[in-house]
Amino acid sequence: AQSVSQHNHHVILSEAASLELGCNYSYGGTVNLFWYVQYPGQHLQLLLKYFSGDPLVKGIKGFEAEFIKSKFSFNLRKPSVQWSDTAEYFCAVSVKTSYDKVIFGPGTSLSVIP
Amino acid sequence: DGGITQSPKYLFRKEGQNVTLSCEQNLNHDAMYWYRQDPGQGLRLIYYSQIVNDFQKGDIAEGYSVSREKKESFPLTVTSAQKNPTAFYLCASSTPYNNEKLFFGSGTQLSVL
Repeated sequence: AQSVSQHNHHVILSEAASLELGCNYSYGGTVNLFWYVQYPGQHLQLLLKYFSGDPLVKGIKGFEAEFIKSKFSFNLRKPSVQWSDTAEYFCAVSVKTSYDKVIFGPGTSLSVIP
Repeated sequence: DGGITQSPKYLFRKEGQNVTLSCEQNLNHDAMYWYRQDPGQGLRLIYYSQIVNDFQKGDIAEGYSVSREKKESFPLTVTSAQKNPTAFYLCASSTPYNNEKLFFGSGTQLSVL
């Protein structure tokens, strides 16, 4: 069965530190890749997505992610985090079968200390 | 404003009771989804529907049922067969066959009395 794993359950960083959240998926076919973010008290929202083309994609709020097909990975990065980045981050994969099914990873909780 | 409305925000279920969570969207999206969110487990797919009158089981469909009689509505029933129903339930919608973006509702927290 297809699955998504995220390397860290909880990450704590100081402001201005660099961030990298790991994501790996298990599916050999064509996928679309996503990072979603859930700020405290807010809806889940899309941070960035990869469908095809340049494997380095840029999203909102200075986030970027790199798709490495050979490693089945889609890691999220930000060079300098802010306190407002405190949130839960979910990696997701859209699997192309007879239906498109979106599968989420378990999430990584990021706490940024001022 | 376009979006997804979930109700109620909080719901309590007694033992042996079926409860129904509402999800309505006015985004004209064909595809709709139900996810269950548990701490440390992320979002797990319960059911999804790509078109009206059609739906598919997700990874944890046991103890749940859905209907899709209208494009705008995708209610989820948590039946008495679901032995651990306490969780946060999220409804989402998207355009089908090339999921560009999922739009999420604000969720329903279900607890067992």
